[in-house]
Amino acid sequence: AQSVTQPDIHITVSEGASLELRCNYSYGATPYLFWYVQSPGQGLQLLLKYFSGDTLVQGIKGFEAEFKRSQSSFNLRKPSVHWSDAAEYFCAVGYNTDKLIFGTGTRLQVFP
Amino acid sequence: DVKVTQSSRYLVKRTGEKVFLECVQDMDHENMFWYRQDPGLGLRLIYFSYDVKMKEKGDIPEGYSVSREKKERFSLILESASTNQTSMYLCASSLERGASGNYEQYFGPGTRLTVT
Repeated sequence: AQSVTQPDIHITVSEGASLELRCNYSYGATPYLFWYVQSPGQGLQLLLKYFSGDTLVQGIKGFEAEFKRSQSSFNLRKPSVHWSDAAEYFCAVGYNTDKLIFGTGTRLQVFP
Repeated sequence: DVKVTQSSRYLVKRTGEKVFLECVQDMDHENMFWYRQDPGLGLRLIYFSYDVKMKEKGDIPEGYSVSREKKERFSLILESASTNQTSMYLCASSLERGASGNYEQYFGPGTRLTVT
């Protein structure tokens, strides 16, 4: 069955530190890949997406992600975290249907 | 600016009540989705609609039904609410998948439902 794994349930970083959130998918075919962010009590907001082409994609709020086919990964990165980045982050993949499969999320805590 | 709205942010209902959660999108999207979000479980798809009056069961449809009479509106119905349906409910919409692949889903703010 198709699945998405976010191995880190909770990550804590200091403000100004770099960040990498991991995402792996299980299915062999190249999926369409998304990262969403959810602030407390809010819905999900799209950070970035990958469909094809350049494997390094830029998103909003200074985030980027890199698709690595050989590792079935789509990790999210940010060079310098701000306190306002504290939120929950979801990776999602889509194949040849209209539905997306979501990971279980990674909660990011930022210390001043 | 794209917008998905949900009728209530917080809702408290009693066991056995019939509960309606409403979702409206103003983007003329073909697809609409209802998810349930629980800690540690991520988002789980309850139902999906790809057109007016068309629906497809998701991963956890038991205890829920849906209605889509108009393109912009997608309702989730709990026929007889139970305490294990206490959760955050998220509605989303998207364009129909195109030749380039999946389109992103746009989410509403969520409804936190408590069943007592």
